[in-house]
This record gives sequence, structure tokens and C-alpha cells, in this order.
Amino acid sequence: EIVLTQSPGTLSLSPGERATLSCRASQSVSRSYLAWYQQKPGQAPRLLIYGTSSRATGIPDRFSGSGSGTDFTLTISRLEPEDFAVYYCQQYSSSPLFTFGPGTKVDI
Amino acid sequence: EVQLLESGGGLVQPGGSLRLSCAASGFTFSNYVMSWVRQAPGKGLEWVSSINSRGGSKYYADSVQGQFTISRDNSKNTLFLQMNSLRAEDTAVYYCAKGRSDWLDAFDIWGQGTMVTVS
Repeated sequence: EIVLTQSPGTLSLSPGERATLSCRASQSVSRSYLAWYQQKPGQAPRLLIYGTSSRATGIPDRFSGSGSGTDFTLTISRLEPEDFAVYYCQQYSSSPLFTFGPGTKVDI
Repeated sequence: EVQLLESGGGLVQPGGSLRLSCAASGFTFSNYVMSWVRQAPGKGLEWVSSINSRGGSKYYADSVQGQFTISRDNSKNTLFLQMNSLRAEDTAVYYCAKGRSDWLDAFDIWGQGTMVTVS
């Protein structure tokens, strides 16, 4: 079973700063099967990145994903006020079919 | 507009049952894997179950295997989750989610969620 861990648990930054979020898998994950989601309070999650580095429809280019094997990164180049939220990574390559990380909260 | 609308949540006693529904619109429902994801109050996301486009293949998290049953009616563009023998730990917001394709893929569309409280 693949377990995902995310770090840090909370990232305190200011608008305009760069955010770097980490997602580590307990086993190797195919690059094709790693995604990132954003969730704001009281809202459903929103897909940001799929296949490690492909942006979902309508996602601004300040969001980028990278990584391979067991280490993956979501980078927000310049934080906008609307980017303060919780971010989850997800793998969909192995049993159990879908696994989410515990999340990283990006707050001001 | 692509949309998923869940319904059927509510308050249920331990050991009881609920059936969640998710009405899809704005896309060809029968072409995609559909899933349920839940989120306990103040907690992270937990995948619950998925079903392939034709409904012939169903997958469950270990935590709900044998307790929940996923199904779909492609003629009515609706996804279901039958939940039996409910326990306090099943209390959560349940989201319906659309996969990007008919196989293992990210969830590109989510419903607004329906709250299930077991107490």
C-alpha cells in the first residue's frame, strides 16, 4: 500500500512569495499518476495538477508540479491572496486505487 | 456547465443505512470513472469507492469494503452509494467526483458534497 506524506504541515507565507510543497510516497509512483488539489474552507477540492506536471483546465501558470519516483513538488511561484488554502497530493497508480496525502495548509 | 450534485445525506443512527445519489450534467456521464471521496470534520480527504464507466468494475477502500456498495445508472446520469451498518467513524462530507478518463486518473470535477452524520 502506497502511503503519501506531505511537508510541511503548515506553510506561513506572504502574498507575492514562493511556496514549495512536498509530497513523498512510500513506494515509487509513476509520474503519470500523481495529482495535486486545492481546497478552501467550506468548498470541494479543485484539481490543480495531474500527471505530476500538467495543469488542469483554467489553472494559472503560477502553479507548477514536478518530481519523480517517490518525491514530488507543487510550486506556487507568487502567492496570490486566493491561494491561501489546503493542498493535497494524490496518487492513483497502485492499490489502494487512490490515496491522498494528509495535506499542507498554506496560510498568511 | 459541467456539474455534480449530491443528495441523500443526513443524520442516521449507528447501524442504520443511507443511500447517496449524485446527479451529473454537462458531460457524457457514461464515458468516465466516477468515485466517492469523503472528508471527516476537520480531517483530510479519504477515497471511498470508484466504478468504471459501464459499472462492471467496482473498487473500495478497505475501510468500507463489504459495508458500502457503489453503483451507477448511465441512463439517468446518476451515481449512487449505498451505505449500510453505519458507524460514527463514517461521519463525513461525501463528495462525488468525476475521473478525467475511464481508467485510473485524477478527479477533475467534484460535487459540493453531502453531509452524513452517524449519531
